[in-house]
Amino acid sequence: DTGVSQDPRHKITKRGQNVTFRCDPISEHNRLYWYRQTLGQGPEFLTYFQNEAQLEKSRLLSDRFSAERPKGSFSTLEIQRTEQGDSAMYLCASQLQDYGYTFGSGTRLTVV
Amino acid sequence: QQQVKQSPQSLIVQKGGISIINCAYENTAFDYFPWYQQFPGKGPALLIAIRPDVSEKKEGRFTISFNKSAKQFSLHIMDSQPGDSATYFCAALLQGGSEKLVFGKGTKLTVNP
Repeated sequence: DTGVSQDPRHKITKRGQNVTFRCDPISEHNRLYWYRQTLGQGPEFLTYFQNEAQLEKSRLLSDRFSAERPKGSFSTLEIQRTEQGDSAMYLCASQLQDYGYTFGSGTRLTVV
Repeated sequence: QQQVKQSPQSLIVQKGGISIINCAYENTAFDYFPWYQQFPGKGPALLIAIRPDVSEKKEGRFTISFNKSAKQFSLHIMDSQPGDSATYFCAALLQGGSEKLVFGKGTKLTVNP
């Protein structure tokens, strides 16, 4: 499989719990992005990595959110103390610099 | 402040017809304009893209028209098919920095058989 893989595909959690999502990018892609998409909206940028360095974070990424990309390979996005407003599709994308993005199928988070 | 405005919100066309989706942007520093197609439960997939030094790009049944002076671009789907039924997003990107994409709100296209 040469695409971007995200795990899990769906996550239901209770408000206040912590959740972690994983993204495995296309192996030769040096850039990795996280976006959030709510119903009826386009994806919104959250953060991005060039190799293992996190170079930009959106204001949408509150202190409860943290992302890592150890060794410049897979990435994790953790949300602590989830709130109902965190319910969304979390999309990961990878990119070889100067070329187009490839998005994964996303992780749909539902906070109840 | 929405940087990329997309219209219409939804579109219904008959099989064989032409689907037209429009976008307008504000930031003149954007220099790459892709269109994405998204099916339910899937991530967006790159359909076609254009740079501002070109006024039109065609790939199969899909054409982007770009008007730099008006800061507008549009997607034309010729001979629309039921399999084209999906949500389409325009986007804009500022290259040289983070290369993050700014998306429009999407257009839900339904092609009736």
